[in-house]
Amino acid sequence: QVQLQESGPGLVKPSQTLSLTCTVSGGSISSGGYYWSWIRQHPGKGLEWIGYIYYSGSTYYNPSLKSRVTISVDTSKNQFSLKLSSVTAADTAVYYCARDDGGNSRFDPWGQGTLVTVSS
Amino acid sequence: QSVLTQPPSASGTPGQRVTISCSGSSSNIGSNYVYWYQQLPGTAPKLLIYRNNQRPSGVPDRFSGSKSGTSASLAISGLRSEDEADYYCAAWDDSLSGFVVFGGGTKLTVL
Repeated sequence: QVQLQESGPGLVKPSQTLSLTCTVSGGSISSGGYYWSWIRQHPGKGLEWIGYIYYSGSTYYNPSLKSRVTISVDTSKNQFSLKLSSVTAADTAVYYCARDDGGNSRFDPWGQGTLVTVSS
Repeated sequence: QSVLTQPPSASGTPGQRVTISCSGSSSNIGSNYVYWYQQLPGTAPKLLIYRNNQRPSGVPDRFSGSKSGTSASLAISGLRSEDEADYYCAAWDDSLSGFVVFGGGTKLTVL
């Protein structure tokens, strides 16, 4: 079955760019119909959709984060990535990658999540 | 402030039936499917209900979903201690260029 795993630095300095990668195993990221997503959860808070990408490269972003977010895909490595620029302490969160079946918020499966702390 | 509105907490005793509501608008729940997620403590969310009322394989039939107009509900019957978790609703929102919206989450306590 498909599994997702996030990787990247756990600590990022304010004003820098947060970069995370999600590696997909057990299936091809180029399978049609799936949107590869990033979702975050602030400590003790609810879920916030960041955006997703189709294997062709089409992207959709949360309007509230759109100016700072870039999601890209590397089909040769079966990976997709998140870049969030100009981070502040408010971007401290657990970041999850997930597969969206159909692009309608059917997220399954999810990665285990990775905590990213923004601090100097 | 989440786009979808859920009660922050709910509770019940073992064996009881509890419901969790999710209120939205015409641009999200009113025109798109609703999805429900269960997040056990310290773990990633798990898909519980898709397309308003469908259960993925492996999800017990004690869990059921419904939708009416701009609101949706998750019902859990025969409540068990292992159901204690946070529950989130989600839907696509057609406003702006479209995006996914979540509810703020409901913490379910099994007394």
